[in-house]
Amino acid sequence: GAVVSQHPSWVICKSGTSVKIECRSLDFQATTMFWYRQFPKQSLMLMATSNEGSKATYEQGVEKDKFLINHASLTLSTLTVTSAHPEDSSFYICSAPKGAGNYGYTFGSGTRLTVV
Amino acid sequence: RKEVEQDPGPFNVPEGATVAFNCTYSNSASQSFFWYRQDCRKEPKLLMSVYSSGNEDGRFTAQLNRASQYISLLIRDSKLSDSATYLCVVNTGNQFYFGTGTSLTVIP
Repeated sequence: GAVVSQHPSWVICKSGTSVKIECRSLDFQATTMFWYRQFPKQSLMLMATSNEGSKATYEQGVEKDKFLINHASLTLSTLTVTSAHPEDSSFYICSAPKGAGNYGYTFGSGTRLTVV
Repeated sequence: RKEVEQDPGPFNVPEGATVAFNCTYSNSASQSFFWYRQDCRKEPKLLMSVYSSGNEDGRFTAQLNRASQYISLLIRDSKLSDSATYLCVVNTGNQFYFGTGTSLTVIP
């Protein structure tokens, strides 16, 4: 149980275009979704926290106008990389709490974005 | 100081060896701790939560030392399939902090 489905798995886009990444919780309600970015050989870095029905909270240094996050329902959160540039090429991954208590977190399968 | 510090390795060990990873955290108010496994170019998967009393799952043992603010992961009888990056994750308030990951390669 507690599966998060993330799409697309990989995307190649031209510089200046926008890319939307979706994360859906399939068998539970995700009131909170964390969005991470991971550059090669580096750790996951939290970009923002989205909460259903309210504005996302962005980490310092993350441009909220560039990385648009929408948590439209209890089962869907989206991250849109607007006007993507090559430096935005990275592995983007979402994560949601499995449930109340110390059950850990379930991750989406990640999206590898390459901007050319 | 980083929230979570982890030796990146790499650790190269022979099959059957015992290997241990440590992770230190800076905030004494941190309340939850986890070990995740990440295979190359894949998403992290929860390996085990870490409890104050220590916990074991087969060949894997996790321990928490609140006084010294570190968590550890011990892998006994290493298998080739254990080769991966192991991430420690610390939950402080509403934030999750990841270690850089420790790379393990088990050699035949």
